Amino acid sequence: QKEVEQDPGPLSVPEGAIVSLNCTYSNSAFQYFMWYRQYSRKGPELLMYTYSSGNKEDGRFTAQVDKSSKYISLFIRDSQPSDSATYLCAMSVTGGFKTIFGAGTRLFVKA
Amino acid sequence: NAGVMQNPRHLVRRRGQEARLRCSPMKGHSHVYWYRQLPEEGLKFMVYLQKENIIDESGMPKERFSAEFPKEGPSILRIQQVVRGDSAAYFCASSPPSADSGNTIYFGEGSWLTVV
Repeated sequence: QKEVEQDPGPLSVPEGAIVSLNCTYSNSAFQYFMWYRQYSRKGPELLMYTYSSGNKEDGRFTAQVDKSSKYISLFIRDSQPSDSATYLCAMSVTGGFKTIFGAGTRLFVKA
Repeated sequence: NAGVMQNPRHLVRRRGQEARLRCSPMKGHSHVYWYRQLPEEGLKFMVYLQKENIIDESGMPKERFSAEFPKEGPSILRIQQVVRGDSAAYFCASSPPSADSGNTIYFGEGSWLTVV
C-alpha cells in the first residue's frame, strides 16, 4: 500500500464547475498537508498549506484535512480553463524533511 | 528571478555517459532537496542536503547516483553511466532554515533527462 493515494484521473469538468480533488494516506504521523499545481513541463507550484486538521481558504481554493479519516481534499470553485493542470497532494511529519507526494490528478477544465 | 534555478532544462545523454544537473536554491534558503518524476508517477524523494552535508539520501539509488551541495556554488546531482531507465524529470526544491523547514518546499522548473 502506498503511503499516499491519489486518483490520477483524468478529471474533466466544464468551466464554472466546482472541482473536488482528494487524497488518502496511511501514516497518522503526518501533520503538514500541501497541495501543489503542476502545469505540463513545469515545476510544481505550492497552492495551499495546512497544518493538522481543519479548513483553509484562499480565493477560489479551499483545502480540507480530516485526520480522523486520513483524508484531504482540495476544492476549486468557479473553475477556469487556466486551472487545467496536474494537482499533487503532499504531506510530511512535524519537523520532518521528507515530503511525500501523491501521484497527481490531471484536471481538464473545458471552456 | 529569486526562485529555485535549475540547469540544464533539457539534457540528452547516450547510455553510459554522465549527467550533471545543477540547482541554485532560492535566496535565503539553505536546504536543498532532489526529487525524480517518472511519467505518470508522482514525485519521488531522492536526497536532502544542507551546505556541505548530506542529511538524508534514503531515496537515492545505491549505485551511479550522487549529490553534493558545496559551501560555494550550486547543488549538483550526478548520474554516472546513465541507462534508459534514468530518463525522467529531476526537480530540485529548497526551503528556509526555519524550525519547520521541510514542511513547505519550493520547486524549480526541473531538468528533463533523456537517455538515448
